[in-house]
Amino acid sequence: KNQVEQSPQSLIILEGKNCTLQCNYTVSPFSNLRWYKQDTGRGPVSLTIMTFSENTKSNGRYTATLDADTKQSSLHITASQLSDSASYICVWGSGGGADGLTFGKGTHLIIQP
Amino acid sequence: DGGITQSPKYLFRKEGQNVTLSCEQNLNHDAMYWYRQDPGQGLRLIYYSQIVNDFQKGDIAEGYSVSREKKESFPLTVTSAQKNPTAFYLCASSADRGRIQPQHFGDGTRLSIL
Repeated sequence: KNQVEQSPQSLIILEGKNCTLQCNYTVSPFSNLRWYKQDTGRGPVSLTIMTFSENTKSNGRYTATLDADTKQSSLHITASQLSDSASYICVWGSGGGADGLTFGKGTHLIIQP
Repeated sequence: DGGITQSPKYLFRKEGQNVTLSCEQNLNHDAMYWYRQDPGQGLRLIYYSQIVNDFQKGDIAEGYSVSREKKESFPLTVTSAQKNPTAFYLCASSADRGRIQPQHFGDGTRLSIL
């Protein structure tokens, strides 16, 4: 079974600080890598999608990086805000049926004032 | 604004009862999906549909059923055969699969057992 491992499981940082979330994928094939933000009690919202030819993609204060050779991705959040408090989910896509998505368990991020 | 509407937000099921979760989208998307989210686990695919009147089982389809009679609607029925139905259910949709597209999610239905 394909596995997507995210670290840390949870993280607490002060408002205004930067942070980086990690994602490792253990099995091929690879088509795309996605990051989602999920607020408590809400559905996930797409932040970025990267294919193997892309090694970085930004969406405002969120920057995702991808190393398809080492099967690692990271999500960097710059100048954190209270509204960044959420779970961040890494998703590996194989491009198969239903997009062939495998979801990580998420990193729970808390921004403290 | 275009989006996905799931209803109800909260649902309670009695033993032996079937319940149906509603999912409607006005994004004109071809593909629709149902996921289940349990605490401490990643989302798991229940069913998906790439076109009207066609749907495929996902990883955990046992105890669930779906229909796709209209492009904009993809209801999920949790049957009495699903012995552990308590979870957060998420519906999603995506545009044409000719290129990689993000999945857009509704705000979920939380199902609990009475």
